[in-house]
Amino acid sequence: KAGVTQTPRYLIKTRGQQVTLSCSPISGHRSVSWYQQTPGQGLQFLFEYFSETQRNKGNFPGRFSGRQFSNSRSEMNVSTLELGDSALYLCASSTDTSYEQYFGPGTRLTVT
Amino acid sequence: ILNVEQSPQSLHVQEGDSTNFTCSFPSSNFYALHWYRWETAKSPEALFVMTLNGDEKKKGRISATLNTKEGYSYLYIKGSQPEDSATYLCAPPGDYGGSQGNLIFGKGTKLSVKP
Repeated sequence: KAGVTQTPRYLIKTRGQQVTLSCSPISGHRSVSWYQQTPGQGLQFLFEYFSETQRNKGNFPGRFSGRQFSNSRSEMNVSTLELGDSALYLCASSTDTSYEQYFGPGTRLTVT
Repeated sequence: ILNVEQSPQSLHVQEGDSTNFTCSFPSSNFYALHWYRWETAKSPEALFVMTLNGDEKKKGRISATLNTKEGYSYLYIKGSQPEDSATYLCAPPGDYGGSQGNLIFGKGTKLSVKP
């Protein structure tokens, strides 16, 4: 089975712009979660989607949003980028019966 | 918001040493605890998911124990090898009793094993 894929892998954006990141889960996985990793804060939970519905949301401003499509692929969007949004964004997928989460390789976002 | 603490922050050991680290989490309404290994330039890899008090899980030279009453878990590595060098993360789900998809990660223990 193919693993979790994320595109793009690297991205450079300017302050004020917006960005969309994509995540394709493992086939058959309906839950997709997004995390942000920064050196100071570690891995922080952004949101979780299941069957096209947001099931949980972390403590991030409204500039961070996401969605999930009927094929379970998910996108996250960050609007009005700030320098502090520079981070590694990871997505993870799981089935709803297994507790294990499978992580993708991440998208490294740099905001200048 | 759950508070998950891991100690130590970093650890340097020699090849062949055995080592262990700690994860502390809120004990009330405990649901599950995940352990992940994150090697540099790779994705976090699931090691264990633990749910029952007194649980002990093992994968090769790595094992973990769980005490839900007092809110801690230990990860042990027996006979560390250079390939064990990684950051080890623990994470309970954010809403106890809910889904497993909103993990609250500790800051991790960074292990370096010298040959």
